[in-house]
Amino acid sequence: DVKVTQSSRYLVKRTGEKVFLECVQDMDHENMFWYRQDPGLGLRLIYFSYDVKMKEKGDIPEGYSVSREKKERFSLILESASTNQTSMYLCASSFGGEWDTQYFGPGTRLTVL
Amino acid sequence: KNEVEQSPQNLTAQEGEFITINCSYSVGISALHWLQQHPGGGIVSLFMLSSGKKKHGRLIATINIQEKHSSLHITASHPRDSAVYICAAALNFGNEKLTFGTGTRLTIIP
Repeated sequence: DVKVTQSSRYLVKRTGEKVFLECVQDMDHENMFWYRQDPGLGLRLIYFSYDVKMKEKGDIPEGYSVSREKKERFSLILESASTNQTSMYLCASSFGGEWDTQYFGPGTRLTVL
Repeated sequence: KNEVEQSPQNLTAQEGEFITINCSYSVGISALHWLQQHPGGGIVSLFMLSSGKKKHGRLIATINIQEKHSSLHITASHPRDSAVYICAAALNFGNEKLTFGTGTRLTIIP
C-alpha cells in the first residue's frame, strides 16, 4: 500500500513565523502535490513537483515555496505566515501525471494566530 | 462559476437507501476521479474513469462524456459510508490539471 505521511496533524503558528510542512511518500512516485482545502472552495493546488528539484506553480502559489531535494520528500514552506493561510494542507503523490490517481496524506490543520 | 460542480452539497439518508451523487463539468476531460474524505481529513481515491462505468463493492461510478456528467452511486448504504465525496476532473486545458468540486457531505442515519 502507498503511504503518504505528513509531519504534523495540527500546527499553531504566529503571524510572521516561517513554517515548514513536510510530506514523505514511500512508493517511489515521480509526482508530488501540495493542496490547501478551505470550506466551500474545494481543494486548490499550491505547487507540484514532477521530479527531484523540479517544481511548478499551481493555482495559488503566492506566499508559498516548495523544496524537493529527494524523491520521497516534498516540503511546503510559508516564508512569513499570515492569518489567511490558516487552512487544511494536504500532500499527495502519484505515479503518473496530475491526471493519475493521487494518494493523499492525512493532512495538516494549520492555524496562524 | 466552478468548472466542476457537484450536487447535492449535503445529503442525509436512512441506512439501506440507494445514494446518488452527481458531478458535472464544463469542458472536455481526460479523466474523472471520485474521492472519499472521512472526518479527520484523510482522502482516499475511489475511482478514476474516462468512460463507461466502474464498480467496487457497493460503489458504482458512471460517466457520460457527451453530457459532461458523472454519478457516484452507493447501494445498501451504511453509516460507515458517511463522509464527504469529492469529484475531480482532469480538464483539457492543455495540461490536464485536476479541478476539484466542493464535495458532497453524506450522512447515513442508522
